[in-house]
Amino acid sequence: DTAVSQTPKYLVTQMGNDKSIKCEQNLGHDTMYWYKQDSKKFLKIMFSYNNKELIINETVPNRFSPKSPDKAHLNLHINSLELGDSAVYFCASSPRPGGSKNIQYFGAGTRLSVL
Amino acid sequence: AQKITQTQPGMFVQEKEAVTLDCTYDTSDQSYGLFWYKQPSSGEMIFLIYQGSYDEQNATEGRYSLNFQKARKSANLVISASQLGDSAMYFCAMRGGSNYKLTFGKGTLLTVNP
Repeated sequence: DTAVSQTPKYLVTQMGNDKSIKCEQNLGHDTMYWYKQDSKKFLKIMFSYNNKELIINETVPNRFSPKSPDKAHLNLHINSLELGDSAVYFCASSPRPGGSKNIQYFGAGTRLSVL
Repeated sequence: AQKITQTQPGMFVQEKEAVTLDCTYDTSDQSYGLFWYKQPSSGEMIFLIYQGSYDEQNATEGRYSLNFQKARKSANLVISASQLGDSAMYFCAMRGGSNYKLTFGKGTLLTVNP
């Protein structure tokens, strides 16, 4: 029973298209995150929601829009895809937003390839 | 600002031997947490071990232990009795107590040789 699940696992699309990645967690956590892992494996936070409220919004192009319909779901919508958006996108969740002992659990990742 | 440094891009170890993966950090927070994650070639990110800045004892989880030296700002991961399945990318990360963000290092690619 997967704790943090993302769909799809692979996404291949053309430049200029719009796509969405879905994330769901069944851990009962209040906080969810989106990370981007680039080709050099560097992981960087993009967004975080706590109980449907945006609490982290890093310097990300506004073509990226997160949406949290409820605290168990955090979706990522990307408009007008560009070649540089090709990366692995990870969803994660944690019990709460802050505090030092606040373990984040990750989904399996979505590998996005923009052609 | 928080910073994590992993100076070993790649490490090799023989099966059944122990290996230490280095991690140093920088933060102005008094309360913070340090984390290690494993990313095998299949791509998922797996949480391994956590150490709090006020924890008096080094954390251990099975074959994983964290060698925490606060004065030196280091949080090295020790894997004992390496197995072939330990071959993966390992990331050190931290969060300050006042910060929502988890900051990651660049990772160390560990290869376990038979």
